[in-house]
Amino acid sequence: EPEVTQTPSHQVTQMGQEVILRCVPISNHLYFYWYRQILGQKVEFLVSFYNNEISEKSEIFDDQFSVERPDGSNFTLKIRSTKLEDSAMYFCASTFREKSYGYTFGSGTRLTVV
Amino acid sequence: ELKVEQNPLFLSMQEGKNYTIYCNYSTTSDRLYWYRQDPGKSLESLFVLLSNGAVKQEGRLMASLDTKARLSTLHITAAVHDLSATYFCAVDYSGGSQGNLIFGKGTKLSVKP
Repeated sequence: EPEVTQTPSHQVTQMGQEVILRCVPISNHLYFYWYRQILGQKVEFLVSFYNNEISEKSEIFDDQFSVERPDGSNFTLKIRSTKLEDSAMYFCASTFREKSYGYTFGSGTRLTVV
Repeated sequence: ELKVEQNPLFLSMQEGKNYTIYCNYSTTSDRLYWYRQDPGKSLESLFVLLSNGAVKQEGRLMASLDTKARLSTLHITAAVHDLSATYFCAVDYSGGSQGNLIFGKGTKLSVKP
C-alpha cells in the first residue's frame, strides 16, 4: 500500500536554529498538508498546498514557517527560527483530490527544540 | 469557527464490553473521519463518512454520521486489548477553500482483561 514518507523521524535542534522537515507524498496525490501534534494534545492543521502554492494556512502557520515542493516529489516544511513551543510531532498528509475520500498521513517527525 | 468535541476523553473498558465514543461538531460539514493513533505513531485511517446516515463497520468498530445532529459515533463491540489506542474524529472544514481537518481532542481507550 502506498505510503507517505517523512524524514527524519526525530530531530533535536537548538532554539533559534532553522529546521527542514521532509515528506514524500504518495506519487499520484495532488494535495499536501502539514499538521502538528503537541505531546498529548490534539492534531492541528498548519497548511495545505496545491498546484505549487499554499491553499490555506492556520493561525499557527506564521512567518516563521514556509513550505516548498522543490522537485516534484518532496514536500518540505521549514521553520526558520525554532522556539521551544515548536516542539511537537509534525505530520505530513496527502490526498488525491480535494475533499477526497481520505487523507494519508505519514509516520511523523518528532521535533524537539532545546 | 468549527469546533469538534469528543467524549469521553478517557475510556477504560473491560474486554468483551461494548461502548460508544461520541463526536459533536459545531458547523455544517458532510465529511467526517475517524483515525486511530497508537502511542508515538501516526494516524491510521479507520472510517470516512461522507453523507448523512452513513454507517461503516470494520471488525469490532462501527461508525455512523448524523449530519443534522452534527454527531458521529464510534461504537465498539466486545472490546479486545488490541483496540487500546487513542481515537480521533476529524471534520472536514467546509468553510475552507480546500479540505483541512479539524480534529477532536481524542479518546484514549484502554481495554483491560
